Amino acid sequence: GENVEQHPSTLSVQEGDSAVIKCTYSDSASNYFPWYKQELGKGPQLIIDIRSNVGEKKDQRIAVTLNKTAKHFSLHITETQPEDSAVYFCAASIGAGGTSYGKLTFGQGTILTVHP
Amino acid sequence: AAGVIQSPRHLIKEKRETATLKCYPIPRHDTVYWYQQGPGQDPQFLISFYEKMQSDKGSIPDRFSAQQFSDYHSELNMSSLELGDSALYFCASSLPQTVTQYFGPGTRLLVL
Repeated sequence: GENVEQHPSTLSVQEGDSAVIKCTYSDSASNYFPWYKQELGKGPQLIIDIRSNVGEKKDQRIAVTLNKTAKHFSLHITETQPEDSAVYFCAASIGAGGTSYGKLTFGQGTILTVHP
Repeated sequence: AAGVIQSPRHLIKEKRETATLKCYPIPRHDTVYWYQQGPGQDPQFLISFYEKMQSDKGSIPDRFSAQQFSDYHSELNMSSLELGDSALYFCASSLPQTVTQYFGPGTRLLVL
């Protein structure tokens, strides 16, 4: 089955700095890669996602890049703010919803702390 | 915007008891996924349903069962609870033929 590795496990930055979190996946059939932000006691919140036919996607301060050949994808957060502090999870899945696929395999998570 | 609803939000049970967790997907979402998240761990896929049929199965113990009803809500039934079942249980839902999953707030289960 799919295996997703995420690094680093903890990341501490100063407000205004950039933060980068990296993930690798094992199954070349995976074609959907979302990133989730999870605050304490809450459910994972989708912040950005990318499909395998796209190399990069950006949404304001957040961007994701995908290298299919190397089987890795990264989350980039620029101009970090204290409210960005949370646990971030990458994930991978195969196929579209409504089939036998679609389940998410998560990375181990990164605890991001942004210091004011 | 409407979100995934889970109930109860907190549940305390004794060993060997049973528990039922409920999930109400976002309106028009027909696919439901269940995940288990242990302390300090990533969510692990348990089971999913599409159009009221089981569509995929992960590391779900035989003591657990689930189903999706005609109104698309889903229930996760857990029997013979063990201490190791203490975790956060998340439900996620998605629109027909889409991969984007939206998670609910979770049910925190504590087994004593």
